[in-house]
Amino acid sequence: SAVISQKPSRDICQRGTSLTIQCQVDSQVTMMFWYRQQPGQSLTLIATANQGSEATYESGFVIDKFPISRPNLTFSTLTVSNMSPEDSSIYLCSAPLLAGATDTQYFGPGTRLTVL
Amino acid sequence: QKEVEQDPGPLSVPEGAIVSLNCTYSNSAFQYFMWYRQYSRKGPELLMYTYSSGNKEDGRFTAQVDKSSKYISLFIRDSQPSDSATYLCAMSLRDDKIIFGKGTRLHILP
Repeated sequence: SAVISQKPSRDICQRGTSLTIQCQVDSQVTMMFWYRQQPGQSLTLIATANQGSEATYESGFVIDKFPISRPNLTFSTLTVSNMSPEDSSIYLCSAPLLAGATDTQYFGPGTRLTVL
Repeated sequence: QKEVEQDPGPLSVPEGAIVSLNCTYSNSAFQYFMWYRQYSRKGPELLMYTYSSGNKEDGRFTAQVDKSSKYISLFIRDSQPSDSATYLCAMSLRDDKIIFGKGTRLHILP
């Protein structure tokens, strides 16, 4: 099984600032995913990050607010830009269990973000 | 109608009891069914994965899929306090994004 780490594990940020979350996978994967999990809610997919191409964003999420980088097959970053208290959430990255298959995914431990 | 429905709980059961967690779904095209366990302040952990109707067993855990009824279940036998967590059902089409339930909070009482 893939081992996925995230940094930071948590942060408290001021309104209007930006935070970049890093995700590292211990094996090469073509696709990585970024999710948001708000309190009491399920996981919502923000975007799919493919190495060598632009990220694909889900409805309701835009690149200007959540820019994503994918410089290689083991690493990705998600930036939460111009933050507001509504962005307070847990942000999770994930990668597939099987190469090329998105139907099962392993998750990182998450980044707990609080925006004041 | 939401694509995946899951009772958020909380569900409290005594240690040693059999736990039954359930989800219903609306998209009959879903092919892959998963259960994740999420401890407090941790990321979801893949617990069970199946793609066919019927039962799949792994230790104390049994995943059951009934495609005709669009209903999936997770059974935990001989429940332990360490099983206390939030359990999320999830499903997807092949090579498509995963749709998660909201999760059921489970408390096993010693």
